[in-house]
Amino acid sequence: GAGVSQSPRYKVAKRGQDVALRCDPISGHVSLFWYQQALGQGPEFLTYFQNEAQLDKSGLPSDRFFAERPEGSVSTLKIQRTQQEDSAVYLCASSYPGTSGRPRNEQFFGPGTRLTVL
Amino acid sequence: AQKITQTQPGMFVQEKEAVTLDCTYDTSDPSYGLFWYKQPSSGEMIFLIYQGSYDQQNATEGRYSLNFQKARKSANLVISASQLGDSAMYFCAMREGFSGNQFYFGTGTSLTVIP
Repeated sequence: GAGVSQSPRYKVAKRGQDVALRCDPISGHVSLFWYQQALGQGPEFLTYFQNEAQLDKSGLPSDRFFAERPEGSVSTLKIQRTQQEDSAVYLCASSYPGTSGRPRNEQFFGPGTRLTVL
Repeated sequence: AQKITQTQPGMFVQEKEAVTLDCTYDTSDPSYGLFWYKQPSSGEMIFLIYQGSYDQQNATEGRYSLNFQKARKSANLVISASQLGDSAMYFCAMREGFSGNQFYFGTGTSLTVIP
């Protein structure tokens, strides 16, 4: 398909375990975003990439969260030593053409990864 | 202060009727974009409609229209002729500046269409 894909769709982790969540953006999309969506809440910004550069990581809740996009396409969000409060849906979004100043520039979202930490 | 406020946790509408979902926003940036997304139970966020702060006319996309009242800082979504498939969560979002990085989302409104 041509949309944003994420894997796995569901992940159950024991507290203290490390997890890695993958995002495949739409081909050619320059910008990639990660959001965290807690149950009953709206998505909250975690981090933003333009190509391979991580330009904003102000939303990452702690140093246990780490994101990378080494070749400017696929991105991985890693959470180390997971805690119960990390349980949420993690959404990835991509957009084109980045920060060119296009007024609309909507973000296209993937289906999310639902992380449950026991 | 919240950037986006959606005060209706849940709404019900009769099939084929129109419904308005409320959204107010807070920003001091004169350039911003307002978005509405639909999130069905499958989880994917689906873009519905966009309104730019300098747009003179209210945005429309098929059955969706945006009632943009700039002075009141509101951007309500109007869905006409509701369908059963419209039952979902609806999120209002804002991007500050035309090249802003992040979207600020509201807490959402759960819409249920009654047959």
